[in-house]
Amino acid sequence: AQSVAQPEDQVNVAEGNPLTVKCTYSVSGNPYLFWYVQYPNRGLQFLLKYITGDNLVKGSYGFEAEFNKSQTSFHLKKPSALVSDSALYFCAVRARYSSASKIIFGSGTRLSIRP
Amino acid sequence: DAMVIQNPRYQVTQFGKPVTLSCSQTLNHNVMYWYQQKSSQAPKLLFHYYDKDFNNEADTPDNFQSRRPNTSFCFLDIRSPGLGDAAMYLCATSKTGQNEKLFFGSGTQLSVL
Repeated sequence: AQSVAQPEDQVNVAEGNPLTVKCTYSVSGNPYLFWYVQYPNRGLQFLLKYITGDNLVKGSYGFEAEFNKSQTSFHLKKPSALVSDSALYFCAVRARYSSASKIIFGSGTRLSIRP
Repeated sequence: DAMVIQNPRYQVTQFGKPVTLSCSQTLNHNVMYWYQQKSSQAPKLLFHYYDKDFNNEADTPDNFQSRRPNTSFCFLDIRSPGLGDAAMYLCATSKTGQNEKLFFGSGTQLSVL
């Protein structure tokens, strides 16, 4: 069975500092990995994905994520946080040859950036 | 240029009174999904349509039904809403073969009185 874990319910970072939102996963075979962001009272918005190739994936709004197969992790990072990055972030995973409906979301991490 | 549109944005219904939520898309995606999300938790898949084929999740209550009359529209019907059905309902779409990135609507926040 596949699963995804976001060990931190909340991450607090000062504006201008680097941020990391952690994600680990479990899936049979090679994974597709995703990060989505949700602003208050809105739907989820795609940030980035790892399918294959370079382990460092760059996405929207200056975010990036690093796929680490040995540690089964896909942590989201940004070199310099903005107050506008404050939102709820979801990591998601699905097995490479499964249907899209089998995507599994993590429980979410609330990112709070203080001015 | 909205791509996945959900109406209404907020819906209030009474306990046991049927309610319908709607979703439309301008992306011409062949797959449409309905998710339930409670209190900033992970979205939970209720069911999805792969083209016209309806796929129900095993743990989706019978109280929830769905219709997809054409490619662009999909409806979520809750036959007899209970207090526990109060949640954000998210519609999403994807296109087969495009690495299955999901496009979400802004959601409908359902309150049950």
